[in-house]
Order: sequence, then C-alpha cells, then structure tokens
Amino acid sequence: ETGVTQSPTHLIKTRGQQVTLRCSSQSGHNTVSWYQQALGQGPQFIFQYYREEENGRGNFPPRFSGLQFPNYSSELNVNALELDDSALYLCASSLRATHTDTQYFGPGTRLTVL
Amino acid sequence: QKEVEQNSGPLSVPEGAIASLNCTYSDRVSQSFFWYRQYSGKSPELIMSIYSNGDKEDGRFTAQLNKASQYVSLLIRDSQPSDSATYLCAVTFRRTGNQFYFGTGTSLTVIP
Repeated sequence: ETGVTQSPTHLIKTRGQQVTLRCSSQSGHNTVSWYQQALGQGPQFIFQYYREEENGRGNFPPRFSGLQFPNYSSELNVNALELDDSALYLCASSLRATHTDTQYFGPGTRLTVL
Repeated sequence: QKEVEQNSGPLSVPEGAIASLNCTYSDRVSQSFFWYRQYSGKSPELIMSIYSNGDKEDGRFTAQLNKASQYVSLLIRDSQPSDSATYLCAVTFRRTGNQFYFGTGTSLTVIP
C-alpha cells in the first residue's frame, strides 16, 4: 500500500458527459501527477500539480483539466467524454516535483465510456 | 521515435531462472530511471530506482544503467511464478522535470 487513494474505483459514462476523478496523496507529499493508461499501453502523462499550481502538461486536450487543494489532494476533470477516453486513470504522488523523486501510484480509476 | 521503448514480449522463463528485461530511451540528457511492476488489473508498484551508471541490487532484483548506450535493464534472479506481471520502465528527462515517460511494458511469465 502506497497511501495514495483514488475514487471512484470504477465509473461508466456515456459519450459527451463529464467526469471528475479524485485522488488523495500520500502523507507529506505535495506533488500529484495524473496518468492515463489505455489497455496494453504504458501510462501516459496528463499533467502534474505542485503546491496547487499546474507544473507540466502532456499532450492532452484542454477538456482534461485539474485542481489541487491546500491539503494536496487533487481532482481530474474530463469534459465532453469520447470513447477513446476509456482507460485506467492513475494518480501518483511524490514528495516534491524534482526529477529524482519517486512517484507512488494509487489503485486507479477504471473509466468506461459508452 | 518514442522516448522510452521496451520489448513488449511476452517473455517466458522457467521458475528459478534469471529474467532479463530491457529498456532504451531517446534523450541523452536523462535524469532518473525507475522500474515498476504491474499485475493485471492493478496499478504500478515500484521495484527500484537508479540514477547513476552501473548496477544497483535490491534482493533478487538488479537494475543496470548505461547512459552512454542509453539503456537500462532489470534482472530478476531466481524467478518465481509470483513475478509474472508486466514490467514498466520509466524515465525522467532534464527538459521536463518530474514528468515520467513510460515504456509500453514487458509481459513476463514465470513457468512453474
């Protein structure tokens, strides 16, 4: 157990809907990163939050947005869902946002878009 | 060219053998390297990290880093059926800070 929690575990939505995924970071960690993992692929970086500010973004459209709260928990919001958004969404927390910091993953949220 | 590449496998080894997993990366100005294990339907769990050239051992696992040749490998000694999983290589690059770039993973099956 990494101490990183995510909710919900599973989610089914229809195309065009909006979804919010939540993540609580490990105690003492101030950095949260979000990844999308499609079936058979490695995780793809969506964005990272450090001290409540976005600190880097991958190649994802603006309909993927996020927040980080003062307690360092985080939300991932996806608008106008598409079928290709079906994936495992992983949250990872790290002590800081430096390149040497290990990221510890939560259990993930499995999103299915119909 | 992808930033991080792995042979997707599947790789099969008999129980007790050494499993060798390889990963290459594109950017010479790389920083940190991580190996994760992911069981089917679960999230990645950290095996080990390596930052400097050479070998790093942790129990049955050894990570090997060669920055000049731009590869990092993971050796699993005395492989057990419980080691059957997908192994993910992750790299950070100086130009993108703490962003992890993952390979597609190598599927390992240890045959009893």
